[in-house]
Amino acid sequence: NAGVTQTPKFQVLKTGQSMTLQCAQDMNHEYMSWYRQDPGMGLRLIHYSVGAGITDQGEVPNGYNVSRSTTEDFPLRLLSAAPSQTSVYFCASSYSYSHWNTEAFFGQGTRLTVV
Amino acid sequence: GQQVMQIPQYQHVQEGEDFTTYCNSSTTLSNIQWYKQRPGGHPVFLIQLVKSGEVKKQKRLTFQFGEAKKNSSLHITATQTTDVGTYFCAAALRGSTLGRLYFGRGTQLTVWP
Repeated sequence: NAGVTQTPKFQVLKTGQSMTLQCAQDMNHEYMSWYRQDPGMGLRLIHYSVGAGITDQGEVPNGYNVSRSTTEDFPLRLLSAAPSQTSVYFCASSYSYSHWNTEAFFGQGTRLTVV
Repeated sequence: GQQVMQIPQYQHVQEGEDFTTYCNSSTTLSNIQWYKQRPGGHPVFLIQLVKSGEVKKQKRLTFQFGEAKKNSSLHITATQTTDVGTYFCAAALRGSTLGRLYFGRGTQLTVWP
């Protein structure tokens, strides 16, 4: 049981380049989400999905796209990287059947630097 | 704006001292969860509280959920160097999308020997 797998772990991009951060989970979780973590800012929600084919914006969606074609995968696309997107990115998944059990499982994170 | 406020942002303690972090919201919470993130690591789930006034303990850690379900606290008794990290609260808001969590900004705990 791998849990939540994120790739890559580290990435350096040049301004204007695009890339996709991969996230996969093997727990059959309906809910998946992407966060970015910056010093002093905690975890800010970028996009989330409540199931295959359904996505929605979080607090800081600009510059990012997502899709959810399967229950397992939830990739995050940076369209045209900017230095302000330098951050640590976490993918997370959880059950979403009730508020009695919504423990979030996080991936290991992707440390992205845009130069 | 920030839905869940967490204080303090930083706490430095000597080993053996107690530590407390607090979370507050102006909105009624469906549940509150606590996570720990070690330096360089990812957030790891510690516990979830759902009932009004609920108190749960895990060894030296005590978690409380307020009677009005708008605040929570995590208290560590006699800190150890292994407690170092950032502690986050995360809440599900009443009426929000199931699964969506609102995170506090975290309290970074440093413990010196």
